[in-house]
Amino acid sequence: GAGVSQSPSNKVTEKGKDVELRCDPISGHTALYWYRQSLGQGLEFLIYFQGNSAPDKSGLPSDRFSAERTGGSVSTLTIQRTQQEDSAVYLCASSLAVSFSGANVLTFGAGSRLTVL
Amino acid sequence: SQQGEEDPQALSIQEGENATMNCSYKTSINNLQWYRQNSGRGLVHLILIRSNEREKHSGRLRVTLDTSKKSSSLLITASRAADTASYFCATVISGNTGKLIFGQGTTLQVKP
Repeated sequence: GAGVSQSPSNKVTEKGKDVELRCDPISGHTALYWYRQSLGQGLEFLIYFQGNSAPDKSGLPSDRFSAERTGGSVSTLTIQRTQQEDSAVYLCASSLAVSFSGANVLTFGAGSRLTVL
Repeated sequence: SQQGEEDPQALSIQEGENATMNCSYKTSINNLQWYRQNSGRGLVHLILIRSNEREKHSGRLRVTLDTSKKSSSLLITASRAADTASYFCATVISGNTGKLIFGQGTTLQVKP
C-alpha cells in the first residue's frame, strides 16, 4: 500500500483479555518496527524485524508480549492477559532497508490506541 | 533506558520566532534523525544527519551534530503555527544493525 496501515485504530479491552494489533508495512520494506508510546511520553522500542534475520526482541517488556511477521510482510503484535499499564498507543513503522550505516528512515503508521479497563 | 534526551521538554514561542531544540545521547552513533509528531499519532521523518556530518539544512530546518559532545540541535526558523508538534531525535547506535532509539521529545507550541 501507499503507507503503513495499522488496525484497529482504537481498541478498548478488559483487563486480562488478549489483544492483537496488526501492521501492514509499505510494500517492499524489509524492516518493520514496533514502538509503544504512553500518554505524553516518548517512544519505547519494542521489537524489530529485518528480512529473514531473527527479530530483535530486546524491548519487549514482558513475556506477555510477542510479535510475528508472516511472509516478511504483515506483522501482528499480541499482548496476552492485558494489564492497565499496557494502555498506550502502539506504533508500527517500516523502512526500506537496514544497513550498518544505519541510514534507515522510518515511515510510521497512525498507531493503535489501546485502552485496558 | 532511552538513548536520547531532548531539551527543553516544552517550548512556547510566537509565530515568526526561531525555535531551537537540543538532543543529547549516550553512545557512539551512526546517524541521528529528527521526527515530528502531530496529535500523538504517527511520526514523520524530517531530516537525517550522519556521524561524519556537522550541519545539514532542509528548508526552514537546520540540524547540527557535535559528536564530541554527543549532542544535536534542531533549529526551525521563522516558525509558523503549523509547526506546533512534538519533535523527537532518534539514533542508531554504532555497530547495531539498525535499531532506532527515540528520545522523550520536545513539545513545541507556536502561537499565532
